[in-house]
Amino acid sequence: QKEVEQNSGPLSVPEGAIASLNCTYSDRGSQSFFWYRQYSGKSPELIMFIYSNGDKEDGRFTAQLNKASQYVSLLIRDSQPSDSATYLCAVTGGGNKLTFGTGTQLKVEL
Amino acid sequence: EAQVTQNPRYLITVTGKKLTVTCSQNMNHEYMSWYRQDPGLGLRQIYYSMNVEVTDKGDVPEGYKVSRKEKRNFPLILESPSPNQTSLYFCASSSGESSYNEQFFGPGTRLTVL
Repeated sequence: QKEVEQNSGPLSVPEGAIASLNCTYSDRGSQSFFWYRQYSGKSPELIMFIYSNGDKEDGRFTAQLNKASQYVSLLIRDSQPSDSATYLCAVTGGGNKLTFGTGTQLKVEL
Repeated sequence: EAQVTQNPRYLITVTGKKLTVTCSQNMNHEYMSWYRQDPGLGLRQIYYSMNVEVTDKGDVPEGYKVSRKEKRNFPLILESPSPNQTSLYFCASSSGESSYNEQFFGPGTRLTVL
């Protein structure tokens, strides 16, 4: 069983719609949860992090964490073509070691 | 500008020819790490370093070496590269030991071993 699982996609949404990206993790001791965006051939860049149950909002992005279900999600409101990228979910169990999922490819269509 | 730099950005080499990929950060970060990224496998940690002279294996350390003689530099060494080390490599750094700290990634090094 993979430690961090994501649907590889591609997930296609029309421009202006809400994109919902999901991630599950296996280690109940995981403490922090990160969403990185990665454009093709580029390095990952941090979008959001969350460590408490519930929602965390930052502009058009909302991260949701449910530790009991071992589930973290990222909602992107008013999706734009520039949001088309691969979204990587990453978790830490303590310290700095990040464990990544394989990523979900998002395509925002005009 | 705060950044992580890697060199070279692209490298094509042949099996068995030793190579070094350099990584440098100007943020005075204690923690540095190397990842490789392969299609369908995601980012996997190769080695990491908590501080100068402190390094440890990640999930896929076989065939790689690292050193941390200075805080800002964390080179990745392939003593005898093989084709299965063809990959996209990223160096990353973060401050302190908190799991809440953001990791900053370098621009990546695309390595091809023939």
